[in-house]
Amino acid sequence: ILNVEQSPQSLHVQEGDSTNFTCSFPSSNFYALHWYRWETAKSPEALFVMTLNGDEKKKGRISATLNTKEGYSYLYIKGSQPEDSATYLCAPQADRGSTLGRLYFGRGTQLTVWP
Amino acid sequence: GAVVSQHPSRVICKSGTSVKIECRSLDFQATTMFWYRQFPKKSLMLMATSNEGSKATYEQGVEKDKFLINHASLTLSTLTVTSAHPEDSSFYICSAPTGSGNTIYFGEGSWLTVV
Repeated sequence: ILNVEQSPQSLHVQEGDSTNFTCSFPSSNFYALHWYRWETAKSPEALFVMTLNGDEKKKGRISATLNTKEGYSYLYIKGSQPEDSATYLCAPQADRGSTLGRLYFGRGTQLTVWP
Repeated sequence: GAVVSQHPSRVICKSGTSVKIECRSLDFQATTMFWYRQFPKKSLMLMATSNEGSKATYEQGVEKDKFLINHASLTLSTLTVTSAHPEDSSFYICSAPTGSGNTIYFGEGSWLTVV
């Protein structure tokens, strides 16, 4: 079991604000870091899978960076919109030998964007 | 895109009875699937890895006789909560990796209430 910390636990922002949250994980035995977006009553939606130190990925207004040496990842949302309201989960995947899909999740950051 | 479907989305059962939750990959084959449980205000907790054609692999602390997992085909895994008790009431969710890339898809989850 991996100890995964996400902060903040919740965040309320105004439409148009940019925001970011943090995922901290053990840097040893690291293979990949997954970010998910989870809206109520829906399936968690895969945002990014990151493997390389210094990796930076972007999907529309959402981007993420990865530091495997110190064990953290940041998720950024530029110009937040009400439809970005969701819980954002991160989950590291330990070592390549581990079965793909065996993830250990943080508690998530619950984002609410007010119009 | 790939879809994982879970059924039922909500179920209420009496103490002492067993209840089955299904997880299906709709447009891809999955030799492994994963079952998670979420307690209130906690993270998704990995319970077990469901392996097609062989025994499931349980995480430490998860009772295999309580949570029976069967993966009889490449598109279906089932979780049976046996002799359910009120403390088994929880949110259960499954996932499956597609095998292409490193993307893992989740079902919609199932709310179990044991009365």
